Amino acid sequence: DTGVSQNPRHKITKRGQNVTFRCDPISEHNRLYWYRQTLGQGPEFLTYFQNEAQLEKSRLLSDRFSAERPKGSFSTLEIQRTEQGDSAMYLCASSLVPTNSGNTIYFGEGSWLTVV
Amino acid sequence: AQSVSQHNHHVILSEAASLELGCNYSYGGTVNLFWYVQYPGQHLQLLLKYFSGDPLVKGIKGFEAEFIKSKFSFNLRKPSEQWSDTAEYFCAVSFGYSTLTFGKGTMLLVSP
Repeated sequence: DTGVSQNPRHKITKRGQNVTFRCDPISEHNRLYWYRQTLGQGPEFLTYFQNEAQLEKSRLLSDRFSAERPKGSFSTLEIQRTEQGDSAMYLCASSLVPTNSGNTIYFGEGSWLTVV
Repeated sequence: AQSVSQHNHHVILSEAASLELGCNYSYGGTVNLFWYVQYPGQHLQLLLKYFSGDPLVKGIKGFEAEFIKSKFSFNLRKPSEQWSDTAEYFCAVSFGYSTLTFGKGTMLLVSP
């Protein structure tokens, strides 16, 4: 058990609906990441936070996607007006801030999204 | 652009055979290197990592990997495979202090 928890684990939604995923990181970790994984591909980076601040966003994160981490603890990822191409596993991960010794990123179990 | 390449998308081995999965990256600066494993129906788990020091690193379940800087490689090895190693294996690299970039993964099937 990595300690990163995500919910819901599975979500089926109709095209055009909004969905929100929640991630609770390992408690002492100040960095929180969102990745997306589709079948046959490795995880692709979407965005990350250091405490409350969103420090980097991938070009994969379209305007329909928004992520927040309001108190520097849990995070939400919202997808508005879902499209079939949004169907994927959404992975959350957390870590400490990197040092010269490097850092390890720990992943949650993911939230499966199916858009029908 | 920084990228990570895994040479084989699917590998089939018999139990007791040796394993080597290739991973190459494109970046000339400081890197941190990782192998993650995803067993069927489970989440990504860290197998091993390299930050600095001895380029031969040992991980869990008898896996090891060797960082060869001149070849930009970080190949995963195990001398004797087990059926329980059937899983998908991902090489991942963080370039400098950036986030992780993953390869596309290698699906390993170990037949009894």
